[in-house]
Order: sequence, then structure tokens, then C-alpha cells
Amino acid sequence: DQQVKQNSPSLSVQEGRISILNCDYTNSMFDYFLWYKKYPAEGPTFLISISSIKDKNEDGRFTVFLNKSAKHLSLHIVPSQPGDSAVYFCAASGEGTGKLIFGQGTTLQVKP
Amino acid sequence: DTEVTQTPKHLVMGMTNKKSLKCEQHMGHRAMYWYKQKAKKPPELMFVYSYEKLSINESVPSRFSPECPNSSLLNLHLHALQPEDSALYLCASSPAPGGILKYNSPLHFGNGTRLTVT
Repeated sequence: DQQVKQNSPSLSVQEGRISILNCDYTNSMFDYFLWYKKYPAEGPTFLISISSIKDKNEDGRFTVFLNKSAKHLSLHIVPSQPGDSAVYFCAASGEGTGKLIFGQGTTLQVKP
Repeated sequence: DTEVTQTPKHLVMGMTNKKSLKCEQHMGHRAMYWYKQKAKKPPELMFVYSYEKLSINESVPSRFSPECPNSSLLNLHLHALQPEDSALYLCASSPAPGGILKYNSPLHFGNGTRLTVT
């Protein structure tokens, strides 16, 4: 049973445009959501997170939106840059555990 | 540069070998984690250590044996592995007290050890 889902395996956008990566979850007990970026041959790098008590968190070009009723979150990157090309993982945690559950990942390609 | 350092970067071992993966962090984090990532799959949790004590074991086979000698070091001892254990092994740390993830306590990952079992 996949509790965190990223239904788009890949996304391609033009440099300067907006990239929108989506993530759905099934466990209503999740209260902490994170986005990680991963380059080949490197570990995941933390990008941005959001608590379940908020619906938006912004950090520079990155904004995460949370819709609790729909159990959906998204990551917006504006403007997109070629260096943003990587695999993006959505992750969630909750129920007072040390477990971080990852989605399958979305490969973002930003074309110059 | 990552603040979580993992060695070696690559490891090839036979099924009868014994080897160890090492992880070090100097961020003062008291929670450390081992994750396993197969190709084109998300990272999967194996173990969580909090204050140098094992707090979570995700039903990992005993051929994987974790060890936390002190708050900065985390080892993963490998013995009698199978070819299907070939994967990227990721270490992470977190400032989360007790290893329980809360807002503003994200996991910080190392670059991993690429393990191949022949």
C-alpha cells in the first residue's frame, strides 16, 4: 500500500517557466511533508517542508502548497532553471514516528 | 558538500564476505538513520537510532547489523548478503529529538554507498 504517491514519473518544462510537481497521500495522520531533490550519484537534498497546520510555505523560488482535504501537496518552482533538473521526491511523516515515507519520485527536466 | 559523510562510495562484495559501511555527521544531531534505495525506487527506511540506541528496525534481515558507537558515527555491518541486496545505502541524520520527525527537523542525507553483491 503506497501511502505517498507521485503519479507523474517525469516532467519537462522550459527554462524560466513554472514547474509544478504533484504529490498525493493517503494517511490522514501525516503532519509533516517535505520535498527532496536528488541528483544522480548523490543523496537526496532537503528543499522545503510544510507542517499540516499550514497551507503554504515559500522559500525563494520554491513554494509548497498543502491541501489537507484533498490529501494533496504540490511544489512550485518559479522560474525554473536548467540546474533544477533532477529527481524530486515528496515525503511525509506523522503519528509521532521517526519514519519518513517517500513517493516514487518525479524526474524534472528544465530545457534551456 | 554534504554534512553527512559516508564511506566507501562504492563497494563490491561477494556473498561470503563481511564488510562495513560507515557514516559520520558533526552537526550534533542525535538521530541517525539507514535507508536503502534500489534503482528507480524511493528510499526505504531500514533503521533509526536515537541517542545511540536502536529505536526502529523495519524488519530488516539479520545479515544487516547496525551499530552506533557514538553520537557522530553510524555503521552498517554486512554479512552473507544476496545479489538482491545490491542498492544505494543512504545514511541520514536529524535534529529531531528521539528521532521523531517534526517540523523544522528534516533528514540530512549523505551521498550514499553504492553496494554491489556478486
